[in-house]
Amino acid sequence: DGGITQSPKYLFRKEGQNVTLSCEQNLNHDAMYWYRQDPGQGLRLIYYSQIVNDFQKGDIAEGYSVSREKKESFPLTVTSAQKNPTAFYLCASSIVSGVNEKLFFGSGTQLSVL
Amino acid sequence: SQQGEEDPQALSIQEGENATMNCSYKTSINNLQWYRQNSGRGLVHLILIRSNEREKHSGRLRVTLDTSKNSSSLLITASRAADTASDFCATDAYSGAGSYQLTFGKGTKLSVIP
Repeated sequence: DGGITQSPKYLFRKEGQNVTLSCEQNLNHDAMYWYRQDPGQGLRLIYYSQIVNDFQKGDIAEGYSVSREKKESFPLTVTSAQKNPTAFYLCASSIVSGVNEKLFFGSGTQLSVL
Repeated sequence: SQQGEEDPQALSIQEGENATMNCSYKTSINNLQWYRQNSGRGLVHLILIRSNEREKHSGRLRVTLDTSKNSSSLLITASRAADTASDFCATDAYSGAGSYQLTFGKGTKLSVIP
């Protein structure tokens, strides 16, 4: 059963703590993305990766970091530098990063600050 | 970044009625896509219309695109309770360095009353 798996579903962060959100896909897609969604808002792009060992900043990359060591995995770390991390985080993938590509999304991780 | 803006922000209809939501965007695009999000879940791709197309159908969905007015509309016919969700438009445009980005609007929250 192919798809994108995000874990955990809920995550709590203490002040000054880094936390890592997991995203795994078995769709054999080259491109992967991280979006942030705040209540009543659209999605904002944090980082994206077109291929293994390569990634680019999106519109709101400050306070976040990513890695793409394997095609299947694109973890997102929310660092202590991100002062307002409470949000719903969505991971997505596409066959390639190109025009007319549709995105496949995971079920999201809700991050809250304790 | 160019962002699609949906209108209305919220829409409540009776089951069986048609629902129409609109999306306006700022500059030229390669394509426009519609996605659906059930509460607390990831997004699911509904339909994609290319910039050289004017109308497209998929099941109960009909999307139109008017590039002269930078606008699109999504019509859902014979609505069902299961259509209750937030629908987002996303515009796909070249973002430089050989990559394309999808930019999402804030969504229309559709409620279908049984």
